[in-house]
Amino acid sequence: QVQLRESGPGLVKPSETLSLTCAVSAYSISSNYYWGWIRQPPGKGLEWIATIFHSGSTYYNPSLKSRVTISVDTSKNQFSLNLNSVTAADTAVYYCARLGGTLLRGFTGGYFDSWGQGALVTVSS
Amino acid sequence: QSVLTQPPSVSGAPGQRVTISCTGSTSNIGTGFDVQWYQQLPGTAPKLLIYGNNNRPSGVPDRFSGSKSGTSASLAITGLQAEDEADYYCQSYDTSLSGSLFGGGTKLTVL
Repeated sequence: QVQLRESGPGLVKPSETLSLTCAVSAYSISSNYYWGWIRQPPGKGLEWIATIFHSGSTYYNPSLKSRVTISVDTSKNQFSLNLNSVTAADTAVYYCARLGGTLLRGFTGGYFDSWGQGALVTVSS
Repeated sequence: QSVLTQPPSVSGAPGQRVTISCTGSTSNIGTGFDVQWYQQLPGTAPKLLIYGNNNRPSGVPDRFSGSKSGTSASLAITGLQAEDEADYYCQSYDTSLSGSLFGGGTKLTVL
């Protein structure tokens, strides 16, 4: 069963860059799945950030696109998120997840079928 | 408009049936894109509950069911149990985002 685990600093200063990595185990990241990041501010709902395919195709939430980069490292079986120029509004639990169902349903029919446990990132000086 | 609207809260007594609605638009559900539902227990990551409008992953009880019509979708929970108390989110693809869109979430309280 696929497992995902987020890692990265829990505290980031305003205007700096938030960097997180999602390590994938028990499954090859190069298989026919997409991989994504979702965040959840404290006490609020879920917000999709970005999705990537192992080939490097990327998809970004337009509201964050100017500040976000998602990348994949197939040699380490992991993918990463960089969010620059952070503010307090970026404080959230960041989840990495696998987007399943795309083989049969295409990218638009995908669903997040496996999630990491989440990483709380606080933006504060 | 890229919004999936859910009621902030619903409640029901043990054994009862509750439904949670998810209203979208022609840029998402109304275009025919599938709807998914996730359950988030307190302090944990979301868990896939329903995919492809009305399909349950292995291990999800058949007390949970989904449906879709027009620009809306619904999650129904029958035989409500105390362990069902959680936040529930709908999700679909949105053409304006060119990506995934989540509803605002609904808190289910079991009385």
